[in-house]
Amino acid sequence: QVQLQESGPGLVKPSQTLSLTCTVSGGSISSGGYYWSWIRQHPGKGLEWIGYIYYSGSTYYNPSLKSRVTISVDTSKNQFSLKLSSVTAADTAVYYCARGRVRGVIIGFDYWGQGTLVTVSS
Amino acid sequence: DIQMTQSPSSLSASVGDRVTITCQASQDISNYLNWYQQKPGKAPKLLIYDASNLETGVPSRFSGSGSGTDFTFTISSLQPEDIATYYCQQYDNLPPTFGQGTKLEIK
Repeated sequence: QVQLQESGPGLVKPSQTLSLTCTVSGGSISSGGYYWSWIRQHPGKGLEWIGYIYYSGSTYYNPSLKSRVTISVDTSKNQFSLKLSSVTAADTAVYYCARGRVRGVIIGFDYWGQGTLVTVSS
Repeated sequence: DIQMTQSPSSLSASVGDRVTITCQASQDISNYLNWYQQKPGKAPKLLIYDASNLETGVPSRFSGSGSGTDFTFTISSLQPEDIATYYCQQYDNLPPTFGQGTKLEIK
């Protein structure tokens, strides 16, 4: 059974960089076949896909966040990470990592972490 | 980006009722649509993929239909454990986008 677990600071100051890591267990990122994604949910709101990374390191980011997002992978630790720079209060959200199913393109998210709330505040 | 519009935004129904949620895409997405269930404080769970295929282990009272721009999600007989918010999500174009959600409550 694949499991994902987010970790990182729950409080980030405005203008700083949000950094989160997702640790995957029960399956290997380097086995390929999946796009490892970050998705966020503003409090009481819907879901926004941030971007994905493949085990090879190739990425795709949501154009709405592209200028501030970096997703990286560490296959030796079976982890992938999110960095979101220049954060504001609008970036306060629950951040989820998820496994993206692939059929040529990413088609859906079948395993999710439990989510971690990140608050941007001074 | 493709916009996904769900209706209603909230819905109250009784145990045993048939419940229907609709999702409309801003352009033709063929059958490239998923449905998720999110219970309070939990991550979303994939229920249906390719508009009408049930994910393994999902009860058969859940179903989906539609293609093009109009899609329907149905619970044939509402159970207390189905209380959740339901989201549609398209994957015809990047970025994948979600509907705003339909919050389902027990009457």
